[in-house]
Amino acid sequence: TQLLEQSPQFLSIQEGENLTVYCNSSSVFSSLQWYRQEPGEGPVLLVTVVTGGEVKKLKRLTFQFGDARKDSSLHITAAQPGDTGLYLCAGRLSGTYKYIFGTGTRLKVLA
Amino acid sequence: DAGVTQSPTHLIKTRGQHVTLRCSPISGHKSVSWYQQVLGQGPQFIFQYYEKEERGRGNFPDRFSARQFPNYSSELNVNALLLGDSALYLCASSGRRDVAYEQYFGPGTRLTVT
Repeated sequence: TQLLEQSPQFLSIQEGENLTVYCNSSSVFSSLQWYRQEPGEGPVLLVTVVTGGEVKKLKRLTFQFGDARKDSSLHITAAQPGDTGLYLCAGRLSGTYKYIFGTGTRLKVLA
Repeated sequence: DAGVTQSPTHLIKTRGQHVTLRCSPISGHKSVSWYQQVLGQGPQFIFQYYEKEERGRGNFPDRFSARQFPNYSSELNVNALLLGDSALYLCASSGRRDVAYEQYFGPGTRLTVT
């Protein structure tokens, strides 16, 4: 069974703080995507990482793909209330077109 | 350009009934995937279709079936509904066949089974 463990599950922080969300698996991924989802809506793609060790930045968000392509992290600098939402990682299993999703990290940023 | 569209947005059914959910991919995308998202969990993969052929299937019972049409739109059918089928059903489309294979999601169909 392929699993993608995401941590922490819940995070409540003050505006201006930094945070990191982790995504770990024993499976190797061809690529990994991070999404943000609002209640009752579909996930919105934030970034795709493909190469082991790759780092991508999107304004205050920094995404990293592990060297072995089994894990990833999302770091948010100076969090703002607008960052509040459910963050999901999804890894595409190597040799397939199938994605497995993490359980998600529910982030709340307090003003 | 329109994104992925799904219909209906909400649906209430009774146990034992059957339901059909519909999805139209982003223009030019040939692949559609279906996911089930139960409250508080990440999406679970159900099916993937590419150019009308099933390319992948998740661990769901045979009550779940799908198909893709020549215009690349897709239907997900669920028979003999159970209370546990209540969930947000998401459709994702993809146009890239390279290693990135990015998926773009629709707004989902909220199915409630009573």
